[in-house]
Amino acid sequence: GENVEQHPSTLSVQEGDSAVIKCTYSDSASNYFPWYKQELGKRPQLIIDIRSNVGEKKDQRIAVTLNKTAKHFSLHITETQPEDSAVYFCAASINSGNTPLVFGKGTRLSVIA
Amino acid sequence: DTAVSQTPKYLVTQMGNDKSIKCEQNLGHDTMYWYKQDSKKFLKIMFSYNNKELIINETVPNRFSPKSPDKAHLNLHINSLELGDSAVYFCASSPQSEKLFFGSGTQLSVL
Repeated sequence: GENVEQHPSTLSVQEGDSAVIKCTYSDSASNYFPWYKQELGKRPQLIIDIRSNVGEKKDQRIAVTLNKTAKHFSLHITETQPEDSAVYFCAASINSGNTPLVFGKGTRLSVIA
Repeated sequence: DTAVSQTPKYLVTQMGNDKSIKCEQNLGHDTMYWYKQDSKKFLKIMFSYNNKELIINETVPNRFSPKSPDKAHLNLHINSLELGDSAVYFCASSPQSEKLFFGSGTQLSVL
């Protein structure tokens, strides 16, 4: 089955700097890669996703890149703000049938004001 | 209106007890899930139901039994609770195997 590795497990950045979180996946059939943000005591919420037919996607200060050959994808947050502090999860799945999302182990991002 | 709602939010109980967590979604999704989030924040799939049918049953003790009376509901019953069952349990739903919408979670503490 799919295995998703995520790095780093913790990340501290100064406010205004950029943050990058990287994930690798094992199943070359995976074609859907979402990122979730989980604030303390809250539910995980989808912030951006990318499909395998696209190499990059941006939404304001966040962007995701995908390298299908290397089987890795990354989340980039620019101009970080204290409210970006949270645990971020990457995930991968095969968007067909009933294959569930497999999550990475999460990255705890702290943005220091 | 809450899209995916689960109750209770907090559950504190003694070892050996039996407890249930309820989940309902009003999004019209066919697929519902239970995920377990341990103290290290790792999110692990437990079960997946598609239109009331069990699709995925990961390596979960058979003390855990999901029940789906209709495609809008997926409840989780746990028998003979153990200390290691303490975690946050998230219900989720999706239109396909993507874009999970999570419930607010149930923090289970087994004493």
